[in-house]
Amino acid sequence: EDQVTQSPEALRLQEGESSSLNCSYTVSGLRGLFWYRQDPGKGPEFLFTLYSAGEEKEKERLKATLTKKESFLHITAPKPEDSATYLCAVRGGYQKVTFGTGTKLQVIP
Amino acid sequence: DGGITQSPKYLFRKEGQNVTLSCEQNLNHDAMYWYRQDPGQGLRLIYYSQIVNDFQKGDIAEGYSVSREKKESFPLTVTSAQKNPTAFYLCASSIDRTVGSNYGYTFGSGTRLTVV
Repeated sequence: EDQVTQSPEALRLQEGESSSLNCSYTVSGLRGLFWYRQDPGKGPEFLFTLYSAGEEKEKERLKATLTKKESFLHITAPKPEDSATYLCAVRGGYQKVTFGTGTKLQVIP
Repeated sequence: DGGITQSPKYLFRKEGQNVTLSCEQNLNHDAMYWYRQDPGQGLRLIYYSQIVNDFQKGDIAEGYSVSREKKESFPLTVTSAQKNPTAFYLCASSIDRTVGSNYGYTFGSGTRLTVV
């Protein structure tokens, strides 16, 4: 059974304090790893898809990286508007998508 | 702007009552999905549809039903058989028919259902 574990559950940063969110996974034949951002009371917003180990993608202050066992979402010099829950998901060989429980990020001005 | 519209935003259900959640998209996407989100759990797939007039059960389909009569619409009915329906329900679509498209999902803003 595919599994996704995200850590930490919650993270509090000062504005400008860079950090990383972790997504560890076990999957039978990775077909894609996804990152989403979810604001309170809203649906998730798609950020990135990563396909293979060594791949990296960037969007503004966010950079996602992928290894064979985990993915990191690096946040550089975060701003208060980056506060949200970040979800990780994997798509395995059986086409099933498994979501993690998310990391709730709070950036303090 | 293209997107997914879910309604209502909040819904209250009495015991033994069926309720229907609306999901409409104007993205011209073939595939549509219903997910349930509970605190401390990852999103769980209820039903999905890859084409009009066809749909498949997800991981937690018991107590739910769907229809896909139009490409734009994918309503979800929560029946009285669903014993614990209180949750946040999310509708999503994807540009291709492959389940869990690598282009990612476009989600609606969700419907919060509460049993009273």
